[in-house]
Amino acid sequence: GAGVSQSPSNKVTEKGKDVELRCDPISGHTALYWYRQSLGQGLEFLIYFQGNSAPDKSGLPSDRFSAERTGGSVSTLTIQRTQQEDSAVYLCASSYGTELLNGYTFGSGTRLTVV
Amino acid sequence: QKEVEQNSGPLSVPEGAIASLNCTYSDRGSQSFFWYRQYSGKSPELIMFIYSNGDKEDGRFTAQLNKASQYVSLLIRDSQPSDSATYLCAVNESWGKLQFGAGTQVVVTP
Repeated sequence: GAGVSQSPSNKVTEKGKDVELRCDPISGHTALYWYRQSLGQGLEFLIYFQGNSAPDKSGLPSDRFSAERTGGSVSTLTIQRTQQEDSAVYLCASSYGTELLNGYTFGSGTRLTVV
Repeated sequence: QKEVEQNSGPLSVPEGAIASLNCTYSDRGSQSFFWYRQYSGKSPELIMFIYSNGDKEDGRFTAQLNKASQYVSLLIRDSQPSDSATYLCAVNESWGKLQFGAGTQVVVTP
């Protein structure tokens, strides 16, 4: 696609429910990243996929968070048993390889609100 | 803990003046450095990247890098109200992964 596409754009969920966030990267981009941004805060790294390599999960805050990337393209971030502190904007980004010659391109994000 | 530090601001700049933003980083092995602009409620967009010591100019923006001092800066010349945003410094922490600073809010006043 022309840009990084994320869905849904907004999600309100009840505490304790599971949510799935979707990211469709730019066509041809081999690297895909998930970050989250809490209100007024910087970007917190969550997980990164590069081609067929094992993902770098070092930023996932707890075992309630998981992500997968199917067919080297679309990625889904799953948060189980959501808590109020999970409320944030979840940003997906992609890049062509890991050389980062042009940085990342971000999607428009999913605003998650846990009530 | 690798860190990227920025002054949170807000940095108030008169229209037409130069805005100067600073960023320091802790990882001496970092090789590439990026500046992103983020408007309120929007996602970050890349405005500059720099790899080599010295200055890099692109239009009204100049990025400056000093690896010995672990310091990267962004100058915005002839600041416009449309430059009002939060500017995020990002450092290539490891192959493919960027670490972001918390951002500096810039407010350009007419």
